[in-house]
Amino acid sequence: QVQLVESGGGVVQPGRSLRLSCAASGFTFRNYGMHWVRQAPGKGLEWVAVIWYDGTNKYYTDSVKGRFTISRDNSKNTLYLQMNSLRAEDTAVYYCARGDCSTSCYLVDYWGQGTLVTVSS
Amino acid sequence: QLVLTQSPSASASLGASVKLTCTLSSGHSSYAIAWHQQQPEKGPRYLMKLYSDGSHTKGDGIPDRLSGSSSGAERYLTISSLQSEDEADYYCQTWGTGIVVFGGGTKLTVL
Repeated sequence: QVQLVESGGGVVQPGRSLRLSCAASGFTFRNYGMHWVRQAPGKGLEWVAVIWYDGTNKYYTDSVKGRFTISRDNSKNTLYLQMNSLRAEDTAVYYCARGDCSTSCYLVDYWGQGTLVTVSS
Repeated sequence: QLVLTQSPSASASLGASVKLTCTLSSGHSSYAIAWHQQQPEKGPRYLMKLYSDGSHTKGDGIPDRLSGSSSGAERYLTISSLQSEDEADYYCQTWGTGIVVFGGGTKLTVL
């Protein structure tokens, strides 16, 4: 069965960096787009970034452009999110999610359980 | 601008049916969407993809009592025979080139 397991969350000071990882299993990772979606405490879902199955296309929401970088290692079935210059408003649970490229890589069809990132001094 | 609008809350009685609505912004009425469910203290779960003609494909293990339909710019999720575990937040999602959008979510209360 499809499994997406995030790791790397924690408490970090404003302005510092953090890297999240997502280990994927149960499907052919290299055939699917992958997303990061976040949810601030008590708020709704906010899309962060997507990467195409082969890494050729990457897109970001405006608030993280220039600060966050999405990447993947298809040999390790792992997705990453490098987060630099973190701000208090980046505090959220970060979900890894799969994109169904048979329809559109933008369509999310599986979710991980999330990892909490808290940006605080 | 691509926007999805959802009512913040809905409620219905145990065993009854409820229809949740997601409205696409002007000029985007042909867009497909996805519905996702988030139960309390859990990660989201994909329910189905839904096209403008009302055709839909459900995710793995999604029961028959959940269905989707469309009318113009509106996309619907109907849940029949409501159960206590249906009490959750429901989000719609759509996309354009280089962008993914989520609606604000509807909190469903089962009375």
